[in-house]
Amino acid sequence: QQQVKQSPQSLIVQKGGISIINCAYENTAFDYFPWYQQFPGKGPALLIAIRPDVSEKKEGRFTISFNKSAKQFSLHIMDSQPGDSATYFCAASSRGSQGNLIFGKGTKLSVKP
Amino acid sequence: GAVVSQHPSRVICKSGTSVKIECRSLDFQATTMFWYRQFPKQSLMLMATSNEGSKATYEQGVEKDKFLINHASLTLSTLTVTSAHPEDSSFYICSAMPFSNTGELFFGEGSRLTVL
Repeated sequence: QQQVKQSPQSLIVQKGGISIINCAYENTAFDYFPWYQQFPGKGPALLIAIRPDVSEKKEGRFTISFNKSAKQFSLHIMDSQPGDSATYFCAASSRGSQGNLIFGKGTKLSVKP
Repeated sequence: GAVVSQHPSRVICKSGTSVKIECRSLDFQATTMFWYRQFPKQSLMLMATSNEGSKATYEQGVEKDKFLINHASLTLSTLTVTSAHPEDSSFYICSAMPFSNTGELFFGEGSRLTVL
Protein backbone atom coordinates (compact mmCIF):
# COMPACT_ATOMS: atom_id res chain seq x y z
CA GLN A 1 0.00 0.00 0.00
CA GLN A 2 3.02 2.23 0.41
CA GLN A 3 4.13 1.78 -3.17
CA VAL A 4 4.11 4.35 -5.89
CA LYS A 5 4.10 2.71 -9.31
CA GLN A 6 5.72 4.67 -12.10
CA SER A 7 5.69 4.09 -15.83
CA PRO A 8 7.23 3.92 -18.32
CA GLN A 9 10.68 2.87 -17.18
CA SER A 10 12.23 4.69 -20.12
CA LEU A 11 10.95 7.14 -22.69
CA ILE A 12 12.34 8.52 -25.92
CA VAL A 13 10.78 11.69 -27.31
CA GLN A 14 11.67 13.91 -30.23
CA LYS A 15 12.58 17.50 -29.57
CA GLY A 16 9.45 19.59 -29.39
CA GLY A 17 7.26 16.64 -28.46
CA ILE A 18 5.31 15.97 -25.30
CA SER A 19 6.75 13.68 -22.64
CA ILE A 20 4.24 11.97 -20.38
CA ILE A 21 5.12 9.99 -17.27
CA ASN A 22 2.50 8.32 -15.12
CA CYS A 23 2.30 7.32 -11.49
CA ALA A 24 -0.28 5.45 -9.44
CA TYR A 25 -0.65 5.01 -5.70
CA GLU A 26 -2.79 3.04 -3.27
CA ASN A 27 -2.48 4.87 0.03
CA THR A 28 -5.35 7.36 0.28
CA ALA A 29 -3.52 9.14 3.12
CA PHE A 30 -0.99 10.53 0.66
CA ASP A 31 -1.53 14.26 0.30
CA TYR A 32 1.62 15.56 -1.35
CA PHE A 33 2.82 14.49 -4.79
CA PRO A 34 6.11 15.92 -6.04
CA TRP A 35 8.10 15.20 -9.15
CA TYR A 36 11.88 15.22 -9.05
CA GLN A 37 14.39 15.54 -11.86
CA GLN A 38 17.77 13.91 -11.49
CA PHE A 39 20.80 14.26 -13.74
CA PRO A 40 23.57 11.62 -13.60
CA GLY A 41 25.77 12.00 -10.55
CA LYS A 42 23.54 14.66 -9.01
CA GLY A 43 20.90 14.71 -6.31
CA PRO A 44 17.21 14.98 -7.22
CA ALA A 45 15.83 18.46 -7.73
CA LEU A 46 12.19 19.32 -7.08
CA LEU A 47 10.48 20.07 -10.36
CA ILE A 48 6.85 20.58 -9.47
CA ALA A 49 4.44 19.30 -6.84
CA ILE A 50 0.70 19.07 -6.30
CA ARG A 51 -1.74 18.49 -3.48
CA PRO A 52 -5.07 16.66 -3.86
CA ASP A 53 -7.18 19.81 -3.67
CA VAL A 54 -6.41 20.67 -7.30
CA SER A 55 -6.54 18.55 -10.44
CA GLU A 56 -3.81 20.30 -12.38
CA LYS A 57 -0.80 22.48 -11.78
CA LYS A 58 1.31 24.11 -14.43
CA GLU A 59 4.73 25.67 -14.15
CA GLY A 60 6.23 26.70 -17.45
CA ARG A 61 6.51 23.64 -19.70
CA PHE A 62 5.77 21.26 -16.83
CA THR A 63 2.25 20.23 -15.85
CA ILE A 64 1.02 17.79 -13.23
CA SER A 65 -2.39 16.23 -13.79
CA PHE A 66 -3.97 14.66 -10.72
CA ASN A 67 -6.90 12.23 -10.65
CA LYS A 68 -7.88 11.65 -7.04
CA SER A 69 -10.59 9.06 -7.75
CA ALA A 70 -8.24 6.99 -9.89
CA LYS A 71 -5.32 7.58 -7.52
CA GLN A 72 -3.13 8.56 -10.40
CA PHE A 73 -0.99 11.54 -11.29
CA SER A 74 1.14 12.34 -14.27
CA LEU A 75 3.83 14.70 -15.44
CA HIS A 76 3.58 16.32 -18.84
CA ILE A 77 6.60 18.05 -20.35
CA MET A 78 5.57 20.23 -23.25
CA ASP A 79 7.96 21.18 -26.05
CA SER A 80 10.52 18.68 -24.73
CA GLN A 81 14.15 19.73 -25.14
CA PRO A 82 17.40 17.73 -25.17
CA GLY A 83 18.26 19.45 -21.88
CA ASP A 84 15.24 17.75 -20.32
CA SER A 85 16.97 14.39 -20.75
CA ALA A 86 17.22 13.06 -17.21
CA THR A 87 15.62 10.59 -14.84
CA TYR A 88 12.31 11.65 -13.39
CA PHE A 89 10.91 10.34 -10.12
CA CYS A 90 7.40 10.74 -8.84
CA ALA A 91 6.86 10.55 -5.11
CA ALA A 92 4.18 10.76 -2.48
CA SER A 93 3.95 11.47 1.21
CA SER A 94 1.37 12.03 3.91
CA ARG A 95 1.27 14.57 6.73
CA GLY A 96 1.72 11.92 9.36
CA SER A 97 4.87 10.52 7.81
CA GLN A 98 7.23 13.35 8.84
CA GLY A 99 7.75 14.05 5.17
CA ASN A 100 8.99 10.59 4.35
CA LEU A 101 8.67 10.42 0.58
CA ILE A 102 7.81 7.18 -1.16
CA PHE A 103 9.50 7.24 -4.56
CA GLY A 104 8.54 5.63 -7.82
CA LYS A 105 11.22 3.62 -9.60
CA GLY A 106 12.01 6.42 -12.02
CA THR A 107 11.70 7.10 -15.74
CA LYS A 108 14.71 7.76 -17.87
CA LEU A 109 13.77 10.36 -20.45
CA SER A 110 15.82 10.89 -23.58
CA VAL A 111 14.89 13.79 -25.85
CA LYS A 112 16.35 13.39 -29.30
CA PRO A 113 17.37 16.52 -31.25
CA GLY B 1 14.78 27.55 -3.33
CA ALA B 2 16.40 26.22 -0.20
CA VAL B 3 19.90 24.80 -0.50
CA VAL B 4 21.21 21.60 0.98
CA SER B 5 24.95 21.06 0.79
CA GLN B 6 26.52 17.63 0.96
CA HIS B 7 30.21 16.96 1.46
CA PRO B 8 32.26 15.29 0.17
CA SER B 9 30.79 14.79 -3.28
CA ARG B 10 33.17 11.92 -3.95
CA VAL B 11 35.21 9.79 -1.61
CA ILE B 12 37.39 6.76 -2.17
CA CYS B 13 38.50 4.76 0.83
CA LYS B 14 40.12 1.47 1.69
CA SER B 15 38.11 -1.44 2.99
CA GLY B 16 37.83 -1.37 6.77
CA THR B 17 38.03 2.38 7.17
CA SER B 18 35.22 4.73 8.19
CA VAL B 19 33.87 7.56 6.12
CA LYS B 20 31.83 10.54 7.26
CA ILE B 21 29.43 12.40 4.98
CA GLU B 22 28.01 15.76 6.00
CA CYS B 23 24.64 17.21 5.07
CA ARG B 24 23.98 20.89 5.77
CA SER B 25 20.94 23.03 5.20
CA LEU B 26 22.47 26.36 4.23
CA ASP B 27 19.62 28.82 4.43
CA PHE B 28 17.03 27.16 6.59
CA GLN B 29 16.69 25.09 9.73
CA ALA B 30 15.63 21.52 9.22
CA THR B 31 13.44 19.68 11.66
CA THR B 32 14.06 16.43 9.90
CA MET B 33 16.74 15.10 7.61
CA PHE B 34 16.65 11.92 5.59
CA TRP B 35 19.43 9.72 4.28
CA TYR B 36 19.04 7.69 1.11
CA ARG B 37 21.10 5.23 -0.82
CA GLN B 38 20.86 4.94 -4.57
CA PHE B 39 22.29 2.17 -6.71
CA PRO B 40 22.95 2.74 -10.43
CA LYS B 41 19.79 3.12 -12.47
CA GLN B 42 17.61 2.58 -9.42
CA SER B 43 15.37 4.69 -7.26
CA LEU B 44 16.25 6.24 -3.93
CA MET B 45 16.08 3.89 -0.97
CA LEU B 46 15.42 5.51 2.38
CA MET B 47 17.97 4.44 4.95
CA ALA B 48 17.03 6.50 7.98
CA THR B 49 15.20 9.53 9.29
CA SER B 50 16.96 11.82 11.72
CA ASN B 51 15.54 14.50 13.96
CA GLU B 52 17.74 17.02 15.71
CA GLY B 53 18.69 15.94 19.18
CA SER B 54 17.23 12.47 19.01
CA LYS B 55 18.24 9.07 17.72
CA ALA B 56 17.73 8.30 14.08
CA THR B 57 15.01 5.95 12.95
CA TYR B 58 16.37 3.32 10.64
CA GLU B 59 14.49 1.51 7.92
CA GLN B 60 14.18 -2.23 8.06
CA GLY B 61 17.33 -3.95 6.91
CA VAL B 62 19.63 -0.98 7.50
CA GLU B 63 22.33 -1.70 10.07
CA LYS B 64 22.38 1.16 12.56
CA ASP B 65 25.80 0.18 13.87
CA LYS B 66 27.22 0.35 10.39
CA PHE B 67 25.53 3.54 9.26
CA LEU B 68 25.85 5.96 12.15
CA ILE B 69 23.71 9.06 11.89
CA ASN B 70 24.17 12.15 14.02
CA HIS B 71 21.86 15.15 13.80
CA ALA B 72 23.71 17.50 16.12
CA SER B 73 22.10 20.75 15.08
CA LEU B 74 19.17 22.08 13.09
CA THR B 75 21.42 22.56 10.07
CA LEU B 76 23.74 19.57 10.16
CA SER B 77 23.36 15.82 9.94
CA THR B 78 26.19 13.38 9.38
CA LEU B 79 26.28 9.82 8.09
CA THR B 80 29.28 7.72 9.03
CA VAL B 81 29.83 4.47 7.19
CA THR B 82 31.86 2.40 9.62
CA SER B 83 34.26 -0.35 8.61
CA ALA B 84 33.35 0.18 5.00
CA HIS B 85 33.39 -2.70 2.56
CA PRO B 86 33.16 -2.74 -1.25
CA GLU B 87 29.46 -3.59 -1.07
CA ASP B 88 28.90 -0.25 0.70
CA SER B 89 29.99 1.53 -2.46
CA SER B 90 27.01 3.58 -3.55
CA PHE B 91 25.57 7.04 -4.05
CA TYR B 92 24.37 8.48 -0.74
CA ILE B 93 21.94 11.38 -0.76
CA CYS B 94 20.50 13.44 2.04
CA SER B 95 17.40 15.59 2.13
CA ALA B 96 16.09 18.14 4.60
CA MET B 97 12.67 19.41 5.54
CA PRO B 98 12.29 23.01 6.71
CA PHE B 99 10.39 23.97 9.83
CA SER B 100 7.48 25.07 7.68
CA ASN B 101 6.81 21.36 7.15
CA THR B 102 4.90 21.79 3.93
CA GLY B 103 6.07 18.37 2.86
CA GLU B 104 8.64 19.80 0.50
CA LEU B 105 12.05 18.17 0.77
CA PHE B 106 15.28 19.66 -0.49
CA PHE B 107 18.00 17.28 -1.59
CA GLY B 108 21.75 17.47 -1.43
CA GLU B 109 23.92 16.81 -4.45
CA GLY B 110 24.82 13.35 -3.27
CA SER B 111 28.06 11.68 -2.24
CA ARG B 112 29.64 8.94 -4.32
CA LEU B 113 31.41 6.45 -2.05
CA THR B 114 33.82 3.96 -3.55
CA VAL B 115 35.34 1.37 -1.22
CA LEU B 116 38.40 -0.38 -2.58
